[in-house]
Amino acid sequence: DVKVTQSSRYLVKRTGEKVFLECVQDMDHENMFWYRQDPGLGLRLIYFSYDVKMKEKGDIPEGYSVSREKKERFSLILESASTNQTSMYLCASSLPRGTNTEAFFGQGTRLTVV
Amino acid sequence: GENVEQHPSTLSVQEGDSAVIKCTYSDSASNYFPWYKQELGKRPQLIIDIRSNVGEKKDQRIAVTLNKTAKHFSLHITETQPEDSAVYFCAASKGGATNKLIFGTGTLLAVQP
Repeated sequence: DVKVTQSSRYLVKRTGEKVFLECVQDMDHENMFWYRQDPGLGLRLIYFSYDVKMKEKGDIPEGYSVSREKKERFSLILESASTNQTSMYLCASSLPRGTNTEAFFGQGTRLTVV
Repeated sequence: GENVEQHPSTLSVQEGDSAVIKCTYSDSASNYFPWYKQELGKRPQLIIDIRSNVGEKKDQRIAVTLNKTAKHFSLHITETQPEDSAVYFCAASKGGATNKLIFGTGTLLAVQP
């Protein structure tokens, strides 16, 4: 059974804190994604990684960074959390090519910055 | 970069009616168009996808059509049931080595019993 697991379901952090969101997949997928989900705005891509140590900015990378030291793990970092980063964060992974490129999502992390 | 627009943002239908959700994309190099369903409190899950070499694809009550010339694609759900109530997202990707997925803004479908 395919699995994408995010380290926390709910997080509450203070403004200015450094926040780490972790995502692990067990499918040996090359691609991993971090999305932010807000009502009316859909799923917006923050960062994307297509291989270990490789990353590409998405549509809204400001205020975020990422780390991919191992193939199975993709971390999203909020360098200095702000209230406008309160949101649902979704991690996903997929194969880069072939007939099955379905993206599998984690359960989401609801982050509240106070 | 790629931009995907999705309409309508909300859709309410009576049980048994059909529902249609439409998306347009900006990058003519996009060649993979999946649709995801997200039930309340759950993660998005793939329900159907289509590639640019195909104009239509069906899976039971769900179908997707693609018009490459107009750069739009649509999700069709027939004989809707209350369990079809969810948020539906379209997405587009250029595939290739990186397969970056860009999503639309979502459609909240409510099927009234």
